[in-house]
Formats: sequence, C-alpha cells, structure tokens
Amino acid sequence: AQSVTQLDSQVPVFEEAPVELRCNYSSSVSVYLFWYVQYPNQGLQLLLKYLSGSTLVKGINGFEAEFNKSQTSFHLRKPSVHISDTAEYFCAVTPYSSASKIIFGSGTRLSIRP
Amino acid sequence: DAGVIQSPRHEVTEMGQEVTLRCKPISGHDYLFWYRQTMMRGLELLIYFNNNVPIDDSGMPEDRFSAKMPNASFSTLKIQPSEPRDSAVYFCASRPPEQGQFFGPGTRLTVL
Repeated sequence: AQSVTQLDSQVPVFEEAPVELRCNYSSSVSVYLFWYVQYPNQGLQLLLKYLSGSTLVKGINGFEAEFNKSQTSFHLRKPSVHISDTAEYFCAVTPYSSASKIIFGSGTRLSIRP
Repeated sequence: DAGVIQSPRHEVTEMGQEVTLRCKPISGHDYLFWYRQTMMRGLELLIYFNNNVPIDDSGMPEDRFSAKMPNASFSTLKIQPSEPRDSAVYFCASRPPEQGQFFGPGTRLTVL
C-alpha cells in the first residue's frame, strides 16, 4: 500500500519570500509523483510530475520539485511567491503497478501575506 | 480544449431526493475518475472507469451511490436517496494514456 504525508497543513509566507512545501511518501513499489494545486472554489490542476529521469522537475508558475528516493521525499519549492500563489497544494503518488489509482496527501494551505 | 466539464456547478436538494451529477471528460482521455472532497475526509476516490468500463468502485460509500459511463464522452454519478452527510464537492477527472489527471471544476452539493 502507498501513503502520502504532507507534514504542514498550513504555511504562511510573505510575498516575494521563498517557500518549500514538504511531501514524504511510503511505498513498497516504484511510484510516479505529482503536485496538484487547488485555487479557491476550483478543481485541482496539475502543477508538475515526476515519471523518470532528472530528479529535479520544473512545473508551471515557477514551481519546481526534487525527487529524493533515499529520503522518499518530493518537496515543492518556489524561490519567490506571489499573492496569486495562495491556494491548497496536494502531493500525490501513483504506483507503477496500478497506474490509474492516485493517492493524495491531505494538502497544504499556502497563504501569502503582502 | 474546454477541459473537463461538470454540471451542475451547484446543487441544493432536500434529504431523500435523487441527485445526478454529470461529467464530460476531455476528448481522447480513456480514464475517468469521480472524487468527493470534504473538510473532514479530504479527497476520496469513489470510482474510476477505463474505456467506459468501471474498474474500481471500492470507494463508493454505499449502495445509494451509483455511477455510469454509457459512452466515452459522458458519465453520471447518482445518489438516491440523498442524505445530509453526502454534502461535499464532487470532482470528475479524466486522464490520457500518459500520467497526470485533469480535474473538472467540481459540483458543490448541499443536502438539507
């Protein structure tokens, strides 16, 4: 079985400051990894994904994430946040063996202060 | 591309009534998923289809819930009879052969 842990339920950050949203996963098999963003009153939008290859993945809106297999982590980073980044961010995994089922973390609410 | 389309966007109904939620996936996507999101339980996968065939419905909470996908461009999620604890935002998502799901805007259901 797989599980995803997002340790921080809320992260407040000042505008133009850097941010890191943490994600750790547990799985006995290889997995694909994702970050989704949910803006208020909207559905989830794919931010970036790691399937294979380079462990540093760049996504939309200036976000990037680094896959660390030894630490089973996939932390999301942005060097300088904007008010428009205020949203909930979900880390997720899909096992290779069941390539359709996706397991989501509980989400991290990013709030940007001016 | 219009993305995943869901209707209605908001639904308010009374306990005991039948509720039907609709979804049009992105053309060419062969997987379709139904999720429910609440504050208490987060995002839960209810059921998913591959090429219109239900593959895993283990997340469907009760027999009151049913889902169909009569063709590649349409799916419904039905609750009959509805109960107040069914109040949530219901998302439909579709997925192409490569990884990464595309979510619709959701239907906010309130059962009084």
